[in-house]
Amino acid sequence: SQTIHQWPATLVQPVGSPLSLECTVEGTSNPNLYWYRQAAGRGLQLLFYSVGIGQISSEVPQNLSASRPQDRQFILSSKKLLLSDSGFYLCAWTSGSDTGELFFGEGSRLTVL
Amino acid sequence: AQSVSQHNHHVILSEAASLELGCNYSYGGTVNLFWYVQYPGQHLQLLLKYFSGDPLVKGIKGFEAEFIKSKFSFNLRKPSVQWSDTAEYFCAVRKYSGGGADGLTFGKGTHLIIQP
Repeated sequence: SQTIHQWPATLVQPVGSPLSLECTVEGTSNPNLYWYRQAAGRGLQLLFYSVGIGQISSEVPQNLSASRPQDRQFILSSKKLLLSDSGFYLCAWTSGSDTGELFFGEGSRLTVL
Repeated sequence: AQSVSQHNHHVILSEAASLELGCNYSYGGTVNLFWYVQYPGQHLQLLLKYFSGDPLVKGIKGFEAEFIKSKFSFNLRKPSVQWSDTAEYFCAVRKYSGGGADGLTFGKGTHLIIQP
């Protein structure tokens, strides 16, 4: 069966420090991968998605970037964190079929101080 | 750009009450529709989904939703809620474009609290 893992689960970082959140999917090949940010009262905002290695689409201008170095690995990064980057980040995957159903990881809570 | 509106941000009900959470979307073409649930401390999981066919879809834990194309709505219902239904509920829409690459557009969520 397919599984998705995110780490770290929680992270406290100072303003101006770098960020790296990792996401891996197991049990499937060539998934579509997504990074969402969840903020209280604001729902889920799509940040990035990827349909293949090295292919990244950005949905919203951010202080963040994403990379897909391997088929089942998706990384969310920042060179210098801002206070406004605090939030709950969710990685998700879909098989690329017409179902469109997303499967979510357990999330990474980032606090920028 | 398409959008998803959930009308109730916070809902408080007593156990055994009936539930209806509203969801409207703005896209006029073919869509796939979803309701996700996030229980306290847990990850998002699919409650139910609509792709085609019968507009009344049934999901897990006694939930159902009805797709009304003319109203651009996909409201979530449950005849009798339980304390364990306390959670955050998200409506989501995907434009049908084949391949499913462009992800889902989510509403802002409804925080449901069930009082025993």
